Amino acid sequence: DAKTTQPNSMESNEEEPVHLPCNHSTISGTDYIHWYRQLPSQGPEYVIHGLTSNVNNRMASLAIAEDRKSSTLILHRATLRDAAVYYCILRRTNTGNQFYFGTGTSLTVIP
Amino acid sequence: KAGVTQTPRYLIKTRGQQVTLSCSPISGHRSVSWYQQTPGQGLQFLFEYFSETQRNKGNFPGRFSGRQFSNSRSEMNVSTLELGDSALYLCASSPRNTMNTEAFFGQGTRLTVV
Repeated sequence: DAKTTQPNSMESNEEEPVHLPCNHSTISGTDYIHWYRQLPSQGPEYVIHGLTSNVNNRMASLAIAEDRKSSTLILHRATLRDAAVYYCILRRTNTGNQFYFGTGTSLTVIP
Repeated sequence: KAGVTQTPRYLIKTRGQQVTLSCSPISGHRSVSWYQQTPGQGLQFLFEYFSETQRNKGNFPGRFSGRQFSNSRSEMNVSTLELGDSALYLCASSPRNTMNTEAFFGQGTRLTVV
């Protein structure tokens, strides 16, 4: 399994930026870095993914280190609706279309 | 565009029975994968189907099986249910056979074995 390491939990104040770190030191050149989040009582939801370059979308930004051994998911202004468990996942070319989830980071947003 | 639909949403079964769960992927998606989520083990991969073929299987006993139909709908079956099979079962669909694509998850089926 492609292993990632994330802090178990983080807190953020509402309307402030949040930086969620992920270490993936065993990443290989063709591994894509994916982020999903899971709100209570729901299935995981796609947030963002990338390979080498930083990526931006309407939900978040993904900053990938130059050596690709770590990445950071950036929520620019946390809202109460962003409280969820965030999963950083490596998807390997030779292992099909499945995800191997770690324990994720539980984000608490403080009003 | 309709999302991933899983039925039923909730299910209660007795130990020793068998159960079938259904997943209808987003129209046009050919890849369907299944996951089990429990408080103790987190999200664990069960198996993945692409164009009716099982491509990968997670580390689960043979009591867990699945299949995919020509319209990409998928079912998973658990026979001889055990109390430990109580979990949220999630399926995800993807449009292509590639790592450079997002997956869409359903709301899940909450199975309780008593």
